[in-house]
Amino acid sequence: LAKTTQPISMDSYEGQEVNITCSHNNIATNDYITWYQQFPSQGPRFIIQGYKTKVTNEVASLFIPADRKSSTLSLPRVSLSDTAVYYCLVGVNQAGTALIFGKGTTLSVSS
Amino acid sequence: GAVVSQHPSWVICKSGTSVKIECRSLDFQATTMFWYRQFPKQSLMLMATSNEGSKATYEQGVEKDKFLINHASLTLSTLTVTSAHPEDSSFYICSARDSRLDIQYFGAGTRLSVL
Repeated sequence: LAKTTQPISMDSYEGQEVNITCSHNNIATNDYITWYQQFPSQGPRFIIQGYKTKVTNEVASLFIPADRKSSTLSLPRVSLSDTAVYYCLVGVNQAGTALIFGKGTTLSVSS
Repeated sequence: GAVVSQHPSWVICKSGTSVKIECRSLDFQATTMFWYRQFPKQSLMLMATSNEGSKATYEQGVEKDKFLINHASLTLSTLTVTSAHPEDSSFYICSARDSRLDIQYFGAGTRLSVL
C-alpha cells in the first residue's frame, strides 16, 4: 500500500477554511484516496473518497491533481467541533483489503 | 451511511480472564471485517482480517492464540482477548467494507482495561 505523508498538526480559527495536504508519491493505478476523521475514544468516521480530480460532499472537498501524487482535503468554515485527527489513506478499493493508517494530522480549531 | 456496531464500548476485566468484543454490520453484509488496535496518542494498527467462514489472517506480531477471531456470519465478527494482561489494555476498533458504496466503515471502538 502507498505510504502517505501528512503534517503532524495544524491550527485554525473558527470560520476559516482548512486545507490538509497529503503526499502519496507511490500511489498505484488502482488506489483510491480516502479521508477519515477521528475524535478521541471514537472510531474513525468516513469523510470523503476520490480517485482523481475533485470530489465534493456536504462535509468537505477533495482535490486530486492529475499525477495523483498528492491530495488536499478542504474543510470549509471550520468550527470548534472539527478539532480532531484527520487521516489520509491510500489503497485498493476492494473487498478483503484493509486500510493502513499513517500518523494523521491533528487539527486544532480555536475560537 | 452504513453503520458498524461494536459492543461493548468499554470493558474492565481482571488479569487472566477473557473478553469478547462483537462487531456487527447493521445494514449490509460483509464477507471481510478488520480488527485494529490503537494505543493512546497513536494511530490505528491493523491486527487481523476476519473472513466469513474461514480462518482469520493475522498481521505480523499479533498472537493468533491470544486474539481469537470468529466470523460466523456475514454480519458478525467477534474478537476474544484470551487470558488478558494489563499490556492488552487498549482501544480496539473493528471495520467492515460496504461493497455497495465502496466505503470502509468503522465501529465506535471498545476501550479494554485489564487490571
